[in-house]
Amino acid sequence: EDKVVQSPLSLVVHEGDTVTLNCSYEVTNFRSLLWYKQEKKAPTFLFMLTSSGIEKKSGRLSSILDKKELFSILNITATQTGDSAVYLCAVEETSGSRLTFGEGTQLTVNP
Amino acid sequence: NAGVMQNPRHLVRRRGQEARLRCSPMKGHSHVYWYRQLPEEGLKFMVYLQKENIIDESGMPKERFSAEFPKEGPSILRIQQVVRGDSAAYFCASSLLDSYTEAFFGQGTRLTVV
Repeated sequence: EDKVVQSPLSLVVHEGDTVTLNCSYEVTNFRSLLWYKQEKKAPTFLFMLTSSGIEKKSGRLSSILDKKELFSILNITATQTGDSAVYLCAVEETSGSRLTFGEGTQLTVNP
Repeated sequence: NAGVMQNPRHLVRRRGQEARLRCSPMKGHSHVYWYRQLPEEGLKFMVYLQKENIIDESGMPKERFSAEFPKEGPSILRIQQVVRGDSAAYFCASSLLDSYTEAFFGQGTRLTVV
């Protein structure tokens, strides 16, 4: 059965800190890995990663995938209170039918 | 172009009643996915539909749950004879292609069974 494990499950930091969120996976037919941000409503898309070693960047957020070691990290630099959310990692199979989600990392950024 | 619209946002049902959750995909999107998020758990895949077809329902409970995506109108997730364990947030996503590239999630329907 496909499996996605995120760590840590919960993280509390102060504004300005840099955080690294981890995601490891076991998937039979890997197509892509996706990161979402969820703030008590719709998960909003952050990144889609398909190739190893290529960093995706959007403002203070960046992510990279290692297909050999089967993990991805999401980095957030200079955190702000608005970054407080649950960050979800999900893996897409080649069939395109489903995403397998991890449990998420609850990030709290205190002023 | 409005995003993925789900309604109602909140739904309260008594045990044994039926719940009907609606999902209107983004304009031009013909692929719809339903997910369930139980309290303190991650999202779990339920079903993937294209217009008038169920493509993958491997995540749907075998009884009481059904889904449809008719040629006209929204996708419907129907739960018959609801039980307390059905209380959850139900999200749908839609995409233009048969992948999650450019897929967008709706705001979800929070179902509470009392």
